[in-house]
Amino acid sequence: NAGVTQTPKFQVLKTGQSMTLQCAQDMNHEYMSWYRQDPGMGLRLIHYSVGAGITDQGEVPNGYNVSRSTTEDFPLRLLSAAPSQTSVYFCASRGGNILEAFFGQGTRLTVV
Amino acid sequence: SQQGEEDPQALSIQEGENATMNCSYKTSINNLQWYRQNSGRGLVHLILIRSNEREKHSGRLRVTLDTSKKSSSLLITASRAADTASYFCATDSGGSNYKLTFGKGTLLTVNP
Repeated sequence: NAGVTQTPKFQVLKTGQSMTLQCAQDMNHEYMSWYRQDPGMGLRLIHYSVGAGITDQGEVPNGYNVSRSTTEDFPLRLLSAAPSQTSVYFCASRGGNILEAFFGQGTRLTVV
Repeated sequence: SQQGEEDPQALSIQEGENATMNCSYKTSINNLQWYRQNSGRGLVHLILIRSNEREKHSGRLRVTLDTSKKSSSLLITASRAADTASYFCATDSGGSNYKLTFGKGTLLTVNP
């Protein structure tokens, strides 16, 4: 039981490049979400999903796309990276009667 | 916008002392959760308190909730150097969207 797995752990992108941050969970949780963490800002919700085929925007969705084709996976896509997207990204999952969220170890992204 | 706001932003104490962190929030909640984040790592769930509870204990942790004041406090007793971390409160408004909204966190430093 690996929990929530994020890849890659570190990434450097050039402005305008695209990439996908991967997130997978093996706990059969319905709910998955992406947060970004910036100094002094705490965690801000980017996108979330309450089940396969269902996604919705969070607090800071601009510049990011998501999809949820399976219960296990919830990738986050940066379509055209900008320096403002330099941040640490966390994926989290929750499910059923379990109210606590389980977090991945994060992806540290730098856009130059 | 973010729901929870922790206070203080930073707290430095000596080993063996108690640490108290506060969280204020804006709207009605189903439950409130506290998480811990070690430097560079993902968040780990510590304790959850439901809206109909006023106090909860778990080991050296004590959480209180005052829904009339929309505030919560986390007390860590007999602190240890290993308690050094950032602590976040997260509010859950309930419903089917499972969203958790995090505050900006309190950085606790426990000096040996």
